[in-house]
Amino acid sequence: DAGITQSPRHKVTETGTPVTLRCHQTENHRYMYWYRQDPGHGLRLIHYSYGVKDTDKGEVSDGYSVSRSKTEDFLLTLESATSSQTSVYFCAISEKVGLAAKNTGELFFGEGSRLTVL
Amino acid sequence: AQKITQTQPGMFVQEKEAVTLDCTYDTSDPSYGLFWYKQPSSGEMIFLIYQGSYDQQNATEGRYSLNFQKARKSANLVISASQLGDSAMYFCAMRAVSNQFYFGTGTSLTVIP
Repeated sequence: DAGITQSPRHKVTETGTPVTLRCHQTENHRYMYWYRQDPGHGLRLIHYSYGVKDTDKGEVSDGYSVSRSKTEDFLLTLESATSSQTSVYFCAISEKVGLAAKNTGELFFGEGSRLTVL
Repeated sequence: AQKITQTQPGMFVQEKEAVTLDCTYDTSDPSYGLFWYKQPSSGEMIFLIYQGSYDQQNATEGRYSLNFQKARKSANLVISASQLGDSAMYFCAMRAVSNQFYFGTGTSLTVIP
């Protein structure tokens, strides 16, 4: 199994409070991602990173910020949590592969972090 | 724009029968990758199968096969000889040139004994 650790795994917080979720990998993969999973929406990309200090927005980035100061860590911050951000958050990692590579370059996922905003 | 569409919110299949889960995609990227993931009720995401856009043959992995029709932009997952443990949520995903991954909304599969 890929070495990906998310913390905390469960968190309950109140509207308006800041929240930081941490993703730590031991695989030295270049790409890291934060997704949220909601019923009926599948997995939607929040932000992703393609290297240390290199990040970009996904399709649902409003209200979220990220930072990647080391290859192994990717932090997701909700500056002021809202009830609409209640969700399950998944961190994932991957490596880019060339067309001829045998490696599929699939996403490896963490176990998920369940966030409830009251 | 990149988009993955899974039109079957829920599917039922009899144990030992085969089942096809539909997936269509939209992209203008010259190359891309297509993936299927399984999410059991325990919540973890399990990689099942991969198809590269330049691969001539359909991918197979044990009881899983990917029916890739490039002209139709479809990448259906076929599970043969369904087992009770196949009951789960299944997600189709596409990797773009940017290395972003896009997911469909998922299909919930229930295997009936």
